[in-house]
Amino acid sequence: DTAVSQTPKYLVTQMGNDKSIKCEQNLGHDTMYWYKQDSKKFLKIMFSYNNKELIINETVPNRFSPKSPDKAHLNLHINSLELGDSAVYFCASSQVGRGLTGELFFGEGSRLTVL
Amino acid sequence: GEDVEQSLFLSVREGDSSVINCTYTDSSSTYLYWYKQEPGAGLQLLTYIFSNMDMKQDQRLTVLLNKKDKHLSLRIADTQTGDSAIYFCAESISGNTGKLIFGQGTTLQVKP
Repeated sequence: DTAVSQTPKYLVTQMGNDKSIKCEQNLGHDTMYWYKQDSKKFLKIMFSYNNKELIINETVPNRFSPKSPDKAHLNLHINSLELGDSAVYFCASSQVGRGLTGELFFGEGSRLTVL
Repeated sequence: GEDVEQSLFLSVREGDSSVINCTYTDSSSTYLYWYKQEPGAGLQLLTYIFSNMDMKQDQRLTVLLNKKDKHLSLRIADTQTGDSAIYFCAESISGNTGKLIFGQGTTLQVKP
């Protein structure tokens, strides 16, 4: 059973298009994240949701809109795609709380290529 | 500010020990982590250390933490070709948001 699954794994699209990436976790965690990994492998947090509530928004352009219909799902919608949006987007989840390690469980990543 | 730094590349021969170093900035980090990323895959947790510890050993892995210098290292004993991957150091940021700040990753190349 895949703990954190995201779809699609690969996405190739033209500049200006709108696309979505979906993520689901079956670990019962209360917190989910989107991270972006650029071509130099640098990994940067974009958003975090705790029980469907947005708790971290790291100065990401408004073209990126996360949505969490329930605590097991976190989707990422990107409008008006730009060349610089090409990256691998990782979904992750964790259980946050006192005494917990806060370990992140990552999905396999969604590689977005904007042409 | 929040910053985690690592060297970008390390090459070792199979059977040697590998040491990957990391420096971080948030002295209030509760946990520090080492993640491994194999090509085309997500990150997987290798090990973590609680901030009040200075060493943790887990089979071939040894983590050393120097809180005074904000320095973390990962030693892999008897490095194998299957250990070739990118290794990320990460620190937890205070505030219980679950946010982790990652270093830029160290690519470990193991030569047979």
